[in-house]
Amino acid sequence: GQQLNQSPQSMFIQEGEDVSMNCTSSSIFNTWLWYKQDPGEGPVLLIALYKAGELTSNGRLTAQFGITRKDSFLNISASIPSDVGIYFCAGYRDDKIIFGKGTRLHILP
Amino acid sequence: EAGVVQSPRYKIIEKKQPVAFWCNPISGHNTLYWYLQNLGQGPELLIRYENEEAVDDSQLPKDRFSAERLKGVDSTLKIQPAELGDSAVYLCASSSRDSVSYNEQFFGPGTRLTVL
Repeated sequence: GQQLNQSPQSMFIQEGEDVSMNCTSSSIFNTWLWYKQDPGEGPVLLIALYKAGELTSNGRLTAQFGITRKDSFLNISASIPSDVGIYFCAGYRDDKIIFGKGTRLHILP
Repeated sequence: EAGVVQSPRYKIIEKKQPVAFWCNPISGHNTLYWYLQNLGQGPELLIRYENEEAVDDSQLPKDRFSAERLKGVDSTLKIQPAELGDSAVYLCASSSRDSVSYNEQFFGPGTRLTVL
C-alpha cells in the first residue's frame, strides 16, 4: 500500500535553533497536510498545501509542496519550548489520506 | 466554535468485553472519520462517513468493529469483543465537504483504550 516516509524519526535540538523535517512518497498526492500532536491530544492542523511548488507560512512554520508532488517539507524557525511534540505529514489523494509515522521533536534546555 | 468532541477520553476493559466510543463532529461538518493510532505511529483510517453514509470502510475489521452515524451528525464506533491488540488511541475527525479546504480534517482529543 501507499506509504509516506517521514524523516527524521526524532530530533534533539537547542532552543532557538531552526528545524527541518520532510516527507517523501513513491506516489503523487494532491494535497499535503502537516499536523502537530501533543501528548494525550489529537493532531492539530498546522499547514495545508494544495499546489505543487506552493510555499506556505504560518508564523514561524514554513512548508512546501514538492514540485514532483511526491514530497513535502516543514521548517520551524527559532524553536521555542512549546514546539515540542510529534509532527505528522499527511498526503491526500482520491479521497484517501495517508499519514507518516511522525517526527518527534525534543528541545534541550 | 466547539471542536470535535469525543468520549470517553480513557477506557480500560478486559478482553472479550464490548466497548463503544462516541464522537460529535464540528457543527456543519458533513464528513466524519474514525482513525486508529497505535503507539509511535500515525493515524490510520478505519471508516469515513459522508453524512450518514459510510463511503469508505475498507480498513474496518468488520468481524469485531462496527460504526454508525444514524442522523448524519454524531457517530459511535463499537468493538465487540475487544482483543488485547485493540489497545490504542481511537481518533475522530471531521471536515466540511462543502468547503474548498475539505481535505483539512480537524481531530478530537481521542479515546485511549486499554484492553487487559
